[in-house]
Amino acid sequence: EAGVAQSPRYKIIEKRQSVAFWCNPISGHATLYWYQQILGQGPKLLIQFQNNGVVDDSQLPKDRFSAERLKGVDSTLKIQPAKLEDSAVYLCASSPVTGTGSYEQYFGPGTRLTVT
Amino acid sequence: GEDVEQSLFLSVREGDSSVINCTYTDSSSTYLYWYKQEPGAGLQLLTYIFSNMDMKQDQRLTVLLNKKDKHLSLRIADTQTGDSAIYFCASEPGYSTLTFGKGTMLLVSP
Repeated sequence: EAGVAQSPRYKIIEKRQSVAFWCNPISGHATLYWYQQILGQGPKLLIQFQNNGVVDDSQLPKDRFSAERLKGVDSTLKIQPAKLEDSAVYLCASSPVTGTGSYEQYFGPGTRLTVT
Repeated sequence: GEDVEQSLFLSVREGDSSVINCTYTDSSSTYLYWYKQEPGAGLQLLTYIFSNMDMKQDQRLTVLLNKKDKHLSLRIADTQTGDSAIYFCASEPGYSTLTFGKGTMLLVSP
């Protein structure tokens, strides 16, 4: 079974530029998550989708971040304009419906963003 | 909101047991998870425990949960150099939402 795919793996941009990240979840996983992981910290949830609907985007800085999941499969996360403090690893995860109530999340390798 | 705390660093010798500790604040957490992150990689799910269980064993991994004290631990038996990584504890205080600790860096020396 293929894992969660993300691209690009690395991105360097200047502040005030825009950037987009792409995620392809594990086939059949209905729930998709975007996390921001700042160096030395645990991942922080930015947005959660169930199929193509948003479940939780309470921690997404909506003035500059946006995300979409068209057709309930792939997803893109965009930052416009970027700030220095957006430098982080952006992780995508997906989870299946297990039937036990657990939400085991499977993570992609992440995109490391550096804003200069 | 939910807060998850972990010690930041643990150093052990190869062959010893490692115990990584975690505390959380939200008593309504249904599941608690342990993830492993190697350098430059995403998080790998190691194991998880349902909140009505006290213990779960999975090969070299043992998870202990003290729900009264909101304390979770991960024991790795016969620790190997390949176990060197950052280990994250995560609680599930809401509908499929995970709150992660800052991670414990485990260093295993030969």
